Amino acid sequence: ETGVTQTPRHLVMGMTNKKSLKCEQHLGHNAMYWYKQSAKKPLELMFVYNFKEQTENNSVPSRFSPECPNSSHLFLHLHTLQPEDSALYLCASSQRATGDETQYFGPGTRLLVL
Amino acid sequence: GDSVTQMEGPVTLSEEAFLTINCTYTATGYPSLFWYVQYPGEGLQLLLKATKADDKGSNKGFEATYRKETTSFHLEKGSVQVSDSAVYFCALSDQTGANNLFFGTGTRLTVIP
Repeated sequence: ETGVTQTPRHLVMGMTNKKSLKCEQHLGHNAMYWYKQSAKKPLELMFVYNFKEQTENNSVPSRFSPECPNSSHLFLHLHTLQPEDSALYLCASSQRATGDETQYFGPGTRLLVL
Repeated sequence: GDSVTQMEGPVTLSEEAFLTINCTYTATGYPSLFWYVQYPGEGLQLLLKATKADDKGSNKGFEATYRKETTSFHLEKGSVQVSDSAVYFCALSDQTGANNLFFGTGTRLTVIP
């Protein structure tokens, strides 16, 4: 148990569906991240939120829309996805501005797009 | 830019064998270095880290030493167990202020009884 929870753990959706992934951290951190993990590829950083403000968007297609209503919650809204978007989506959090860059990860949401 | 290169797997070892997973990095400045482990069906867990040259990170019998002269952070364990079977990721944290992590591609380790 890392203090970062993600729901759902598994999700199957069609290309026309809209769904959302949820992440919650119980560590009092001020930064949250979304990563995409695909087979045989390095982890891809998608979005970074620092004190609820988005600080990075690594050329992610607009069919992925993040939302960070407060420093403990992070959402990833999905719409009109493609089969190649099937992957494990990982959320992480960290405490910035302390000199400790350690990120703590949730268990991930395994997404399958049909 | 910053990057991490780790040995490709998969690696298969017998129980109690010695493990080394190589990791080298390219970075400007003085990054922090990490090893994360991912057990089947789970997210990444921090295994160990080192924040400056010559530091040794250790946890659960695993060790890695931050070698600035060779830009390496190799993971070692003297005697692996079946429960160590997982995917291991080397990562560095940039020092540009963004503190983002750059990950290697991961090395899958399978330990057989």
